[in-house]
Amino acid sequence: QVQLVESGGGLVKPGGSLRLSCAASGFTFSDYYMSWIRQAPGKGLEWVSYISSGGGTKYYANSVKGRFTISRDNAKTSLFLQMDSLRADDTAVYYCARERVGARHDLWGQGTLVTVSS
Amino acid sequence: QSALTQPASVSGSPGHSITVSCTGTSTDVGGFNYVSWYQQHPGKAPKLMIYEVNNRPSGVSNRFSGSKSGNTASLTISGLQPEDEADYYCCSYTTNSTLYVFGTGTKVTVL
Repeated sequence: QVQLVESGGGLVKPGGSLRLSCAASGFTFSDYYMSWIRQAPGKGLEWVSYISSGGGTKYYANSVKGRFTISRDNAKTSLFLQMDSLRADDTAVYYCARERVGARHDLWGQGTLVTVSS
Repeated sequence: QSALTQPASVSGSPGHSITVSCTGTSTDVGGFNYVSWYQQHPGKAPKLMIYEVNNRPSGVSNRFSGSKSGNTASLTISGLQPEDEADYYCCSYTTNSTLYVFGTGTKVTVL
């Protein structure tokens, strides 16, 4: 079954860290670019980060640059997002999404909720 | 990078057509044919409806179509059905300091 399953969300204090995981199955993970996209409660979608199929090229939104790190393990068909120096405005549901060239996010996970609060 | 501009809400009667606009600049929507559209029902993950301005993924109804003129992309839903009631987001590739930018989102209501 073709799917993405996120995990690792939870409650963390401001300034803390969290590592999100996204397990892929049912397709050749190493053939695809991947992105993380988030949605704050009651708000719209915000693209967070991108990683190329081999992991050598990475991009970040200005809002997370220097604090978040995207990575992947193609052997374990998994995508990760290391989030450091978390702030209240990082509170959101985080989705991982499979991607093809040109803003084509064609497969999404169910999302994992990250809450940053003291 | 500011979000692309979409109307907050659009409504229409069953069987009618509606159009949702998505306005950007020459560094995103106007500069590339890399615009996609997503449908999101409450509590659910987004679903790809249109990619590269006017292409439908397999399995998406042909009632959904996309177009672009200048810096504005559009999503048209024809033959509106109750299940089309959802939030819709556009997304574009951008050269303006990040990689992708989403629209502000539009709530489509079927009257």
